[in-house]
Amino acid sequence: EAGVAQSPRYKIIEKRQSVAFWCNPISGHATLYWYQQILGQGPKLLIQFQNIGVVDDSQLPKDRFSAERLKGVDSTLKIQPAKLEDSAVYLCASSLGFGGGTQFFGPGTRLTVL
Amino acid sequence: DQQVKQNSPSLSVQEGRISILNCDYTNSMFDYFLWYKKYPAEGPTFLISISSIKDKNEDGRFTVFLNKSAKHLSLHIVPSQPGDSAVYFCAAAYYGGSQGNLIFGKGTKLSVKP
Repeated sequence: EAGVAQSPRYKIIEKRQSVAFWCNPISGHATLYWYQQILGQGPKLLIQFQNIGVVDDSQLPKDRFSAERLKGVDSTLKIQPAKLEDSAVYLCASSLGFGGGTQFFGPGTRLTVL
Repeated sequence: DQQVKQNSPSLSVQEGRISILNCDYTNSMFDYFLWYKKYPAEGPTFLISISSIKDKNEDGRFTVFLNKSAKHLSLHIVPSQPGDSAVYFCAAAYYGGSQGNLIFGKGTKLSVKP
């Protein structure tokens, strides 16, 4: 069974530029999560999708971050414009059901904002 | 305010000995706890979990203990192997009435020396 796929693996941009990350969850997983992991910290949830609907985006900085999961499968997370403090690893995870179940993580995208 | 705390940033253990990683939490609503292992440049990998109705769960060399009264859980690895060297994250969730979002600790870096 293929795991969670993410691209790109690494990205370096200047502040105020925009960037987009892509995630393809495990086939059949209804729930998709985006996490931000700053160096030395644990992952922090940014947004959770159940199929195409947003379940929780309370910690998403909506003035600069956006995410979509238009067809209920893969998802895109965008930052526009980026700030220095956005430098982090962005992790995508998926789980089979809603409200529980093991989350499986992708390898992450390491973003460096200069 | 950190709801899940891993107070030891690092731990060094000799091969063959027991590794004990600790985690404390503050939110009594948490009803499910998980441990993830993370190698460099990879996403977190699920290791073992425990429901709040249990006090112990075992899977091969890995055992998780939960002390609800103390709001404390621990992961025991016996015997420790060099391949166990990684960062271990404790995570907690409230599956009883929410979306099951995971709250992560900051992680403990385990080094197992041959």
